[in-house]
Amino acid sequence: TQLLEQSPQFLSIQEGENLTVYCNSSSVFSSLQWYRQEPGEGPVLLVTVVTGGEVKKLKRLTFQFGDARKDSSLHITAAQPGDTGLYLCAGAGGTASKLTFGTGTRLQVTL
Amino acid sequence: GAVVSQHPSRVICKSGTSVKIECRSLDFQATTMFWYRQFPKQSLMLMATSNEGSKATYEQGVEKDKFLINHASLTLSTLTVTSAHPEDSSFYICSNNRGPYSPLHFGNGTRLTVT
Repeated sequence: TQLLEQSPQFLSIQEGENLTVYCNSSSVFSSLQWYRQEPGEGPVLLVTVVTGGEVKKLKRLTFQFGDARKDSSLHITAAQPGDTGLYLCAGAGGTASKLTFGTGTRLQVTL
Repeated sequence: GAVVSQHPSRVICKSGTSVKIECRSLDFQATTMFWYRQFPKQSLMLMATSNEGSKATYEQGVEKDKFLINHASLTLSTLTVTSAHPEDSSFYICSNNRGPYSPLHFGNGTRLTVT
């Protein structure tokens, strides 16, 4: 069974602070996706990383895929209250269809 | 990306009754859809893969007689929770993708509460 551990589980910070969320596994993934989910809604895709060592930027969000394709990180610069939500990493073993979701990181950004 | 519509968004039912949840692919014909379950403050767990015109594929530990999946058309998959019990209360989410190497897109989920 492929497991994806995210850390921290919960993070409460003030607006303007930076943060990093980690997603770690002992398994190798062909690709890894990051989602953000708000209460009562489905997850929304933020990014897909495919190549080991790949770095992708989405405005204030920076995503990195580990060289060995076993881990990933999400860094948010100058967090805003709108960044509040549940962040989920998800790894694909073969196709992107069957995903293993991480344990989740709940982020709260206050004014 | 794919557009997925899920209905209802919330349902409350009594123990012993059955509840049907619909998942529609609005912008393309989906031969495969996926059903996930999410308990409060937890991550998503894949329950089953819905296949158009054939039987669904269930993940280990998921009772196929309890969670009936029907994928009768290329745009509609349904999940029926039969003889619901309070422990079935959860957030159920469907998803699909345009192809096996395309990212998943999710519906808005259904909050099921069994009293």
